Amino acid sequence: DAGVIQSPRHEVTEMGQEVTLRCKPISGHNSLFWYRQTMMRGLELLIYFNNNVPIDDSGMPEDRFSAKMPNASFSTLKIQPSEPRDSAVYFCASSLKSLSLEGTGANVLTFGAGSRLTVL
Amino acid sequence: DQQVKQNSPSLSVQEGRISILNCDYTNSMFDYFLWYKKYPAEGPTFLISISSIKDKNEDGRFTVFLNKSAKHLSLHIVPSQPGDSAVYFCAASAGSSNTGKLIFGQGTTLQVKP
Repeated sequence: DAGVIQSPRHEVTEMGQEVTLRCKPISGHNSLFWYRQTMMRGLELLIYFNNNVPIDDSGMPEDRFSAKMPNASFSTLKIQPSEPRDSAVYFCASSLKSLSLEGTGANVLTFGAGSRLTVL
Repeated sequence: DQQVKQNSPSLSVQEGRISILNCDYTNSMFDYFLWYKKYPAEGPTFLISISSIKDKNEDGRFTVFLNKSAKHLSLHIVPSQPGDSAVYFCAASAGSSNTGKLIFGQGTTLQVKP
């Protein structure tokens, strides 16, 4: 299993440009999460999907951020227009919701390697 | 509002000694807690977890302790090894809601000196 695959690994862009980050979850996983890592707030949950349906997007900072999951094997996170304060590492994670830890509903998320975004 | 807090940004210990990483939470609905470890340029990886019905869970050199009344958990690494140097994230889940969503803390950078 190749794990969760994210692209690009690094992105440098100028303020105002559109940025698209991509994620391929682990095959068979039915939940997908987008997180953003910053020094101040650690790993912030932006949005997550269950069975390709967005469940909670309350962590999406602004309307400039949008995420889609057109099928079970692909998701995108788009920032338009980008701003310098969007510079961070963006992680995608997936899990198999039915296989929860000790039947509690809590899942182990498997993370991708991240996409480091720098907006100049 | 930070529901999961790791108040120590960094920790440095000597090889062979104990490392203790702390985490506090505010949401009493959290009923499952996890620790993740992250190396540079990699994604976080799952390390150990604990259910709220327990107060201790041990896996080799790693032990997680949960104090529900204090809303506090800690990760003990004994003995610490240089390869343990990484960022450690505490995470919590309101598992009964069955969403699978994890809330993470800010992370603590552990440095184990040879």
